[in-house]
Amino acid sequence: DAKTTQPPSMDCAEGRAANLPCNHSTISGNEYVYWYRQIHSQGPQYIIHGLKNNETNEMASLIITEDRKSSTLILPHATLRDTAVYYCIVRAPSGTYKYIFGTGTRLKVLA
Amino acid sequence: NAGVTQTPKFQVLKTGQSMTLQCAQDMNHNSMYWYRQDPGMGLRLIYYSASEGTTDKGEVPNGYNVSRLNKREFSLRLESAAPSQTSVYFCASSSLTTGGRETQYFGPGTRLLVL
Repeated sequence: DAKTTQPPSMDCAEGRAANLPCNHSTISGNEYVYWYRQIHSQGPQYIIHGLKNNETNEMASLIITEDRKSSTLILPHATLRDTAVYYCIVRAPSGTYKYIFGTGTRLKVLA
Repeated sequence: NAGVTQTPKFQVLKTGQSMTLQCAQDMNHNSMYWYRQDPGMGLRLIYYSASEGTTDKGEVPNGYNVSRLNKREFSLRLESAAPSQTSVYFCASSSLTTGGRETQYFGPGTRLLVL
């Protein structure tokens, strides 16, 4: 499974869009990009995933570059409750069942 | 539908003691996982079970054993606890969909302190 690189921390003003980048330059053609978040010390929570196309759900949008070497998670209107650690993970469907979480990006939403 | 449940929530052990962490899921998932998370760190995979009756080592299996008791339950055992095993332990479960998506669902965690 490919490794990912994320900035260790980011701040965002409440109500503004939070854009969290992820670099996965060694991603393979069949590997999906997944985003999870972990609030306080709770278990991680799934946010969104994608393969090639941009994706949107009720929580966030995922923008994947055309060469698939990087992606951006967008929280369109960040709230204080979005303060969390965000993990970007790449993984193939038929992989070895290992999610490599890394250290993620600690997002702090400021009032 | 409780999702993934873990017991106990908190535990304090003395070095050398043994204990078993319990995990159960009610989503009929095939795969189950045990992770540990040390302060300020990401999650590291200890063991996983791709399906009932199978288990495999993850990144940090030393000092642990697991049992996939049935499709619902996956336990993690510390035979002789060490201070280095002080951590938060998360259990997760997942199933692979025909579309290739495999979302993991996590339990609330067990906070373990080994003195």
